Amino acid sequence: QVQLVESGGGVVQPGTSLRLSCAASGFTFSIYGMHWVRQAPGKGLEWVAIIWYDGSNKYYADSVKGRFTISRDNSKNTLYLQMNSLRAEDTAVYYCARGFEGDHLDYWGQGTQVIVSS
Amino acid sequence: DIQMTQSPSSVSASVGDRVTITCRASQGISNWLAWYQQKPGKAPKLLIYAASSLQSGVPSRFSGSGSGTDFTLTISSLQPEDFATYYCQQINSFPRTFGQGTKVEIK
Repeated sequence: QVQLVESGGGVVQPGTSLRLSCAASGFTFSIYGMHWVRQAPGKGLEWVAIIWYDGSNKYYADSVKGRFTISRDNSKNTLYLQMNSLRAEDTAVYYCARGFEGDHLDYWGQGTQVIVSS
Repeated sequence: DIQMTQSPSSVSASVGDRVTITCRASQGISNWLAWYQQKPGKAPKLLIYAASSLQSGVPSRFSGSGSGTDFTLTISSLQPEDFATYYCQQINSFPRTFGQGTKVEIK
């Protein structure tokens, strides 16, 4: 069965960096676009970034552009989100999700919590 | 960026009720719209894709309709497990954007 398992979250200070990982299994990872979506405490969903199945294209939300980098290693079936210059407003649960039939998000991980606080 | 506006923000309903949630896009998105259900502490779940296609395994009491700028999600007969928050998302252009959510509460 399809599984997505995020890791790498934690408590960090403003201005520092963190790298999230999403380990995929149960499907052919290398043929799917992958996404990161986040949810701040008590708030709605915010789309963060997408990477094409082969890594050839990437798009970002304006709120993270220039600070976050999405990447993938198809040999390891793993998706990454490198987050630099973290701000308090980046505090959220971060989900990875698989794109289906034009980027509908059909499978989601359980999420990893990121807290940015001094 | 395309803005997605859901209404209402919350709705109180009883088991067996018909519930309709509306999502409006700030510009035309054809049928590039998804609906998700999220329960507290859980990841979202895809219900409807391409505006009106039922995702595999989702009960048939859920349906979606619309095209262009106006979309609806309908739950024909609300069940206890349907009390949750529902989000629409446009996948027509980048950045992908979600509606603010509609919370379906027990009356």
